[in-house]
Amino acid sequence: DTAVSQTPKYLVTQMGNDKSIKCEQNLGHDTMYWYKQDSKKFLKIMFSYNNKELIINETVPNRFSPKSPDKAHLNLHINSLELGDSAVYFCASSQPGQGKANEQFFGPGTRLTVL
Amino acid sequence: EDQVTQSPEALRLQEGESSSLNCSYTVSGLRGLFWYRQDPGKGPEFLFTLYSAGEEKEKERLKATLTKKESFLHITAPKPEDSATYLCAVRLISSGSARQLTFGSGTQLTVLP
Repeated sequence: DTAVSQTPKYLVTQMGNDKSIKCEQNLGHDTMYWYKQDSKKFLKIMFSYNNKELIINETVPNRFSPKSPDKAHLNLHINSLELGDSAVYFCASSQPGQGKANEQFFGPGTRLTVL
Repeated sequence: EDQVTQSPEALRLQEGESSSLNCSYTVSGLRGLFWYRQDPGKGPEFLFTLYSAGEEKEKERLKATLTKKESFLHITAPKPEDSATYLCAVRLISSGSARQLTFGSGTQLTVLP
């Protein structure tokens, strides 16, 4: 009964490769996100999708391309991986409601290591 | 510029020794303030949402409070299983339909038996 799941949990790859991370939520939420957590544990928003539509792209290089095939899935594809892309990537989801800030639920994270 | 600052960066407590974590914010318009707990190797786990100054929420040994400039997470008689990184985040009115959170850098809490 996992709410937000991500695969893979660990990803080790060489510079220049292309890789994808998958995210699925079974909460029925309309909004999904990708966050990046750096080595200092600082979490920063990358993308926000609402009903399969991209809402924000926060100063993320073009090499990162999110894709939402349906409301329950938000995948992250990364081209030409660089050393600086090494981090933990978290997917999250939330359900908008009038007048509420709406807590986000996070997946377990994908630790990406670029060699 | 919108900022969220957490202090201290790290805190070590003896079991049973109560303390507080601080989250101060300088934002243009606050929609809500969130507290999360993050265990090593896991995603953040939602704890509380606070919406307006004066609001308080409690859960077991944790109590979150909010003023116009900061939030406190009070931990009463902590146990070793409370050891984790505690993250504060804000959702800004300006985030609109994107609803993204702006996080602080966290406080790493260690409770010694």
